[in-house]
Amino acid sequence: DVKVTQSSRYLVKRTGEKVFLECVQDMDHENMFWYRQDPGLGLRLIYFSYDVKMKEKGDIPEGYSVSREKKERFSLILESASTNQTSMYLCASSSGQGNNQPQHFGDGTRLSIL
Amino acid sequence: RKEVEQDPGPFNVPEGATVAFNCTYSNSASQSFFWYRQDCRKEPKLLMSVYSSGNEDGRFTAQLNRASQYISLLIRDSKLSDSATYLCVVNKPGTASKLTFGTGTRLQVTL
Repeated sequence: DVKVTQSSRYLVKRTGEKVFLECVQDMDHENMFWYRQDPGLGLRLIYFSYDVKMKEKGDIPEGYSVSREKKERFSLILESASTNQTSMYLCASSSGQGNNQPQHFGDGTRLSIL
Repeated sequence: RKEVEQDPGPFNVPEGATVAFNCTYSNSASQSFFWYRQDCRKEPKLLMSVYSSGNEDGRFTAQLNRASQYISLLIRDSKLSDSATYLCVVNKPGTASKLTFGTGTRLQVTL
């Protein structure tokens, strides 16, 4: 079974703080993703990585950055947290081999910015 | 037009009923299709992939209609444990890896 592990289930931070969300997968997947999910808006892609040190902006990258120094780990960074970044953050991974590869998600991190 | 559209529901059905959801997608070049299930305050989990010829997994049947650009999910003999939100998922055009998630259809199965 694919295991995607996110470092925190719940996190509370203050406006202006730099926030790090960590994600690790154990299936040697090439692709890793960060999403946020808000009521009525569904999942929105923040950033995507298809290989170590490679990254690509998703639909809503503003205010975020990412780091992929090792294949199994993909970090999301909120450079200066703001209240509108309060959300559920979901990390996912998928194989880069062939088509029709589904994504597998971690448990999610509920982040509150006060 | 949204890339993936679903009726948000909720669909309220009694145990044992058959229920079907549809989903439409905007880009005819999409090649990969999935149904995910998401329980309240949990992460999405893959329910099944959707193949061109249609496919079945136990009580669940998925169909793809490329001409009309819609995907369906049929659940037979509904169980209380089927209560969840069902997400329709399609690959983004031009990429096999990136997926677009619908906002989901909520199902509530009752006694």
